[in-house]
Amino acid sequence: AQSVTQPDIHITVSEGASLELRCNYSYGATPYLFWYVQSPGQGLQLLLKYFSGDTLVQGIKGFEAEFKRSQSSFNLRKPSVHWSDAAEYFCAGSNDYKLSFGAGTTVTVRA
Amino acid sequence: EPEVTQTPSHQVTQMGQEVILRCVPISNHLYFYWYRQILGQKVEFLVSFYNNEISEKSEIFDDQFSVERPDGSNFTLKIRSTKLEDSAMYFCASSEEGASTGELFFGEGSRLTVL
Repeated sequence: AQSVTQPDIHITVSEGASLELRCNYSYGATPYLFWYVQSPGQGLQLLLKYFSGDTLVQGIKGFEAEFKRSQSSFNLRKPSVHWSDAAEYFCAGSNDYKLSFGAGTTVTVRA
Repeated sequence: EPEVTQTPSHQVTQMGQEVILRCVPISNHLYFYWYRQILGQKVEFLVSFYNNEISEKSEIFDDQFSVERPDGSNFTLKIRSTKLEDSAMYFCASSEEGASTGELFFGEGSRLTVL
């Protein structure tokens, strides 16, 4: 079945430190992949997307993600986190008619 | 910036009652979706809608659920007879292109509480 998996349920990181969130995908062909962020009480906001081409994609808020076909991964990174980055992060993959989300990773930022 | 709007933001209902959640997608978008998120769980796909018909639906989307685009602007999700387990945040989304190529824009959600 087509799916994305986020192995980390919760990550705590210090403000100013780097952040990496893992995402693995299982699709028959090269999938379209996305990262969304959900701040407390808010809807889902797209951070970045990968369709094809360059394997390193840049997103909003200083985030980037790298597509690695050999590892079936699409990990999200940020070099230096801010307290406002505390949120739930969802990796997602799509076919024509639906977007399927991973279980999410909660990021806590400590001062 | 255009956005997807949802009403109500929060609805409390008694088990067995009918509920209609409303969404106004972005005006030039052609694809519409409903997702739900039970508290503390992942965001789950319910249904996608294109060209006035359902494109795909999940196993969650049983006969108790229906969607409709009653006019040129609204997209509704109806739950015919609510159950306790229907308590969740329901997100509407729309996209200009299909989900494989187009960005989905999400509303802020409608929280449904079934008592």
